[in-house]
Amino acid sequence: EDQVTQSPEALRLQEGESSSLNCSYTVSGLRGLFWYRQDPGKGPEFLFTLYSAGEEKEKERLKATLTKKESFLHITAPKPEDSATYLCAVKEGSSYKLIFGSGTRLLVRP
Amino acid sequence: NAGVMQNPRHLVRRRGQEARLRCSPMKGHSHVYWYRQLPEEGLKFMVYLQKENIIDESGMPKERFSAEFPKEGPSILRIQQVVRGDSAAYFCASSLGVSEETQYFGPGTRLLVL
Repeated sequence: EDQVTQSPEALRLQEGESSSLNCSYTVSGLRGLFWYRQDPGKGPEFLFTLYSAGEEKEKERLKATLTKKESFLHITAPKPEDSATYLCAVKEGSSYKLIFGSGTRLLVRP
Repeated sequence: NAGVMQNPRHLVRRRGQEARLRCSPMKGHSHVYWYRQLPEEGLKFMVYLQKENIIDESGMPKERFSAEFPKEGPSILRIQQVVRGDSAAYFCASSLGVSEETQYFGPGTRLLVL
């Protein structure tokens, strides 16, 4: 049973074309939802942590939001350098491990 | 302000050999986690360690795989008698402590088994 599902699998945008990535989760006792960015051949780079429904965080062109069932990563006026795979992960209950989704591959064309 | 360091970055082994992957956590971090990313798959948790203790190894294969985090030195993920299915990217992450939830990842070790 998938606990973390990301959509779409891949997304192509023109530079400046805003969009949103979705992360839905089915875990009990959410301890945190995490967004990472991963470039090819590199490790995941931390972006945001969200803990409770209604919480929002922003960093440059990125904004992450959280509800009881899903999280969105909004990208406003993206640039080619925003091209990467965006990973969503959750931590549940008393566990310390991150449960990752399969990611959304974002390509921003100039 | 060094981040999580892993070495080697690339490792080639023949079937049956041993692979040793090393991870140095961020300065001040005492919690280490290992994850594996198989080709075309997501990151999967393997093991969580604190200094000299294995806390959770629920994601580690029961045979051939072991991990340690000694009092001095880096954390080591050891794979004995490697098989082709072990080819993957292995990532190490570290966190500050129990109350600090965020895990920061290293650049990974890409293991190729011939």
